[in-house]
Amino acid sequence: GAVVSQHPSRVICKSGTSVKIECRSLDFQATTMFWYRQFPKQSLMLMATSNEGSKATYEQGVEKDKFLINHASLTLSTLTVTSAHPEDSSFYICSARSRLAGGPGDEQFFGPGTRLTVL
Amino acid sequence: GENVEQHPSTLSVQEGDSAVIKCTYSDSASNYFPWYKQELGKRPQLIIDIRSNVGEKKDQRIAVTLNKTAKHFSLHITETQPEDSAVYFCAASNNQGGKLIFGQGTELSVKP
Repeated sequence: GAVVSQHPSRVICKSGTSVKIECRSLDFQATTMFWYRQFPKQSLMLMATSNEGSKATYEQGVEKDKFLINHASLTLSTLTVTSAHPEDSSFYICSARSRLAGGPGDEQFFGPGTRLTVL
Repeated sequence: GENVEQHPSTLSVQEGDSAVIKCTYSDSASNYFPWYKQELGKRPQLIIDIRSNVGEKKDQRIAVTLNKTAKHFSLHITETQPEDSAVYFCAASNNQGGKLIFGQGTELSVKP
């Protein structure tokens, strides 16, 4: 149980185009999903917290108009990188917390990540 | 906001030796401290976690200790094996929606 999927696993796009990444909780309902970005040989940097049915909360320094997050259902959150540029090339990972999670100690389940390459 | 510092950035040990990775955090409100193992190109995998009401937790060859007063926690791996080679991340979380703040990571290499 507690499986999180991401699609696509890899994407290559041209500079200036937009890319949508999907994060799905397959066997549980997730009221909260998190989006991280990880550059090579670096740590996971939290980009935003996505709550079902409400606007995402972005971390300081993350442009909300460039990284559009939608959490329309309890099993799906999407991240759209708008007008992508080469510096946006990175590994994007989502995680999800169960709807039953009652506190900070409840595990987050990570997706397999999406490798974005912007040419 | 929370800041998590992790040391060392790289660690090389001989198979069978122990490995210790240390983290410090800044927010005294943090009360959940997980450790993740990440292999190249893969998702982070939770290997052990500890809550602030516990000082130590052990799971087979892996243990974590927490010192709330000093705001630091450590991962201990005993009898290391080559398959333990990976990047390890510590993280901290508080009651604010459960978001995790990660340390910088430690690349562990276990030499046979």
